[in-house]
Amino acid sequence: EVQLLESGGGLVQAGGSLRLSCAASGFTFINYAMTWVRQAPGKGLEWVSTLSSYGGSTHYADSVKGRFTISRDNSKNTVYLQMNSLRGEDTAVYYCARDQGGSGYTYGIYDTWGQGTLVTVSS
Amino acid sequence: EIVLTQSPATLSLSPGERATLSCRASQSVNSYLAWYQQKPGQAPRLLIYDTSNRATGVPARFSGSGSGTDFTLTISSLEPEDFAVYYCQQRNIWPPVTFGGGTKVEIK
Repeated sequence: EVQLLESGGGLVQAGGSLRLSCAASGFTFINYAMTWVRQAPGKGLEWVSTLSSYGGSTHYADSVKGRFTISRDNSKNTVYLQMNSLRGEDTAVYYCARDQGGSGYTYGIYDTWGQGTLVTVSS
Repeated sequence: EIVLTQSPATLSLSPGERATLSCRASQSVNSYLAWYQQKPGQAPRLLIYDTSNRATGVPARFSGSGSGTDFTLTISSLEPEDFAVYYCQQRNIWPPVTFGGGTKVEIK
């Protein structure tokens, strides 16, 4: 069964840092681009960042550029989101999602999602 | 950045009725539009990709249509489990990938 399991969320003060992890199982992880999407309480979905299958290409939303870093460890089937200089507006449930591509391409279609991890930034 | 506008914000219908959800893009996204369903406390679920292709396991009562800037998600006959929030998403020009604001389908 294809699964994604996020961890690492929690309460952090504004200006602080947090690293989210997303452990993948049930598929050949190295073949898939991975993405983080967030959802502020009671709000819609916001794309945050995408990392290509072999890690050579990264993309970020303007709202997090320069503060967040996406990375992956293909030996551990895990994608990470390092979040620095956190702000109140970063408070959200963070989902990792698998890109549908699966052949080394990044398609921008998210066919598998984790259950999410809540990040709360206090001021 | 491509802005996606969904309408209506809320759709109040009864089980068995037909639901028609709209998504309009600020510029053409060609056919690169997807739909996701999200139930309370759950992650989004991919329903439709590239306008009209149903994702694995999605019932046939869900269908998508449109092109360019105007798209529609249709649920032919609402089942109790279909009451949820639906988001459209474009991948034609990214970054950034963008999502619409969502349409809530609620029980009338």
